Amino acid sequence: DTAVSQTPKYLVTQMGNDKSIKCEQNLGHDTMYWYKQDSKKFLKIMFSYNNKELIINETVPNRFSPKSPDKAHLNLHINSLELGDSAVYFCASSPLAGQGYNEQFFGPGTRLTVL
Amino acid sequence: RKEVEQDPGPFNVPEGATVAFNCTYSNSASQSFFWYRQDCRKEPKLLMSVYSSGNEDGRFTAQLNRASQYISLLIRDSKLSDSATYLCVVRGGATNKLIFGTGTLLAVQP
Repeated sequence: DTAVSQTPKYLVTQMGNDKSIKCEQNLGHDTMYWYKQDSKKFLKIMFSYNNKELIINETVPNRFSPKSPDKAHLNLHINSLELGDSAVYFCASSPLAGQGYNEQFFGPGTRLTVL
Repeated sequence: RKEVEQDPGPFNVPEGATVAFNCTYSNSASQSFFWYRQDCRKEPKLLMSVYSSGNEDGRFTAQLNRASQYISLLIRDSKLSDSATYLCVVRGGATNKLIFGTGTLLAVQP
């Protein structure tokens, strides 16, 4: 019944490794997002996809590469992990991209710790 | 200047109290406004949208002042379960993305 799910929930890894986070939504939404929440709890958008097409790409290092195989899935691959990548990464979805009062539904988050 | 600014708190209030949170935003062209709630170590969830005429949902009242670029949230008769971080959120910018404030922490005490 989970609307937006993410795996894994926790990820602990060494600097320099490559890791992926997966997200799936079963709400039938067209638009999906990746957000990063840092240690100061500041939540900021990284990417957004609408029907598998990238529509928002904030100033994010090239080491971060999103991929949307279909509109229900949005994965995030991170290369050469750095200490500063430690954060909680939230996936979200909404019915329509960037319109009006459409609610965004968030997944439970992936807590990434880079050692 | 941050795009969305909030007092981080914490606001420590007794059960039954009325508490108000304020938020200011910098982009006058912002289109939509929201309050999200985030419990500790959980995801943000929509609490309520904020409309120009102001709106109420049970114990919660939200107000928007476009001229002053100011949003408020009033919680009446606080419950222990209201303890959370309240995020002020604005939709705007070239891509109509959601821009989050850093949140105001509310702790309701028995």
